Amino acid sequence: AQSVTQLGSHVSVSEGALVLLRCNYSSSVPPYLFWYVQYPNQGLQLLLKYTSAATLVKGINGFEAEFKKSETSFHLTKPSAHMSDAAEYFCAVRDNYGQNFVFGPGTRLSVLP
Amino acid sequence: GAGVSQSPSNKVTEKGKDVELRCDPISGHTALYWYRQSLGQGLEFLIYFQGNSAPDKSGLPSDRFSAERTGGSVSTLTIQRTQQEDSAVYLCASSTRTSGFTDTQYFGPGTRLTVL
Repeated sequence: AQSVTQLGSHVSVSEGALVLLRCNYSSSVPPYLFWYVQYPNQGLQLLLKYTSAATLVKGINGFEAEFKKSETSFHLTKPSAHMSDAAEYFCAVRDNYGQNFVFGPGTRLSVLP
Repeated sequence: GAGVSQSPSNKVTEKGKDVELRCDPISGHTALYWYRQSLGQGLEFLIYFQGNSAPDKSGLPSDRFSAERTGGSVSTLTIQRTQQEDSAVYLCASSTRTSGFTDTQYFGPGTRLTVL
């Protein structure tokens, strides 16, 4: 069965600092990987997705993620954090037999002034 | 707008009562998903509908939970004899379900269920 782990349920960074949110997956076949963001009192929105076209994926709001097969990772990064980035971030995986998605437990990002 | 809508936005009920949660997916989306998000936890898959195929019910936690999708559009999630542990935000998502399994899910705002 697939699973997704996100190291760190809560990450705090200063405004302007690098954001790094970790995601590791387990899948017996090359997966499709997604990052979703949930702003306070809002629904989930897709940030970016890996579909095997390129290992470095750029998403909205300056975020990007790199698929590393050898590390089974898909970490999310942003060079400079903004106050508006404060939200809950979810990594999700789907394999190419894919019926449903498996979501990680989420990482809450706080951005300090 | 033309996004996924869910109703009600909030539902408070008493233990033992039945509740129905509604999801209106984006028009034309053939796939529909229900998830549960408990406080401080990630999303838990409940059920998945794709077109006219039999739904994937593998995530439903007990036989008190059921869902249907009428006419390939609107879906209703029913919880019978609610328990306090059913309190959570119930999220619905829809997608176009492309052949490459890379479809993007579009989420509704959720229904916050509180069982007293």
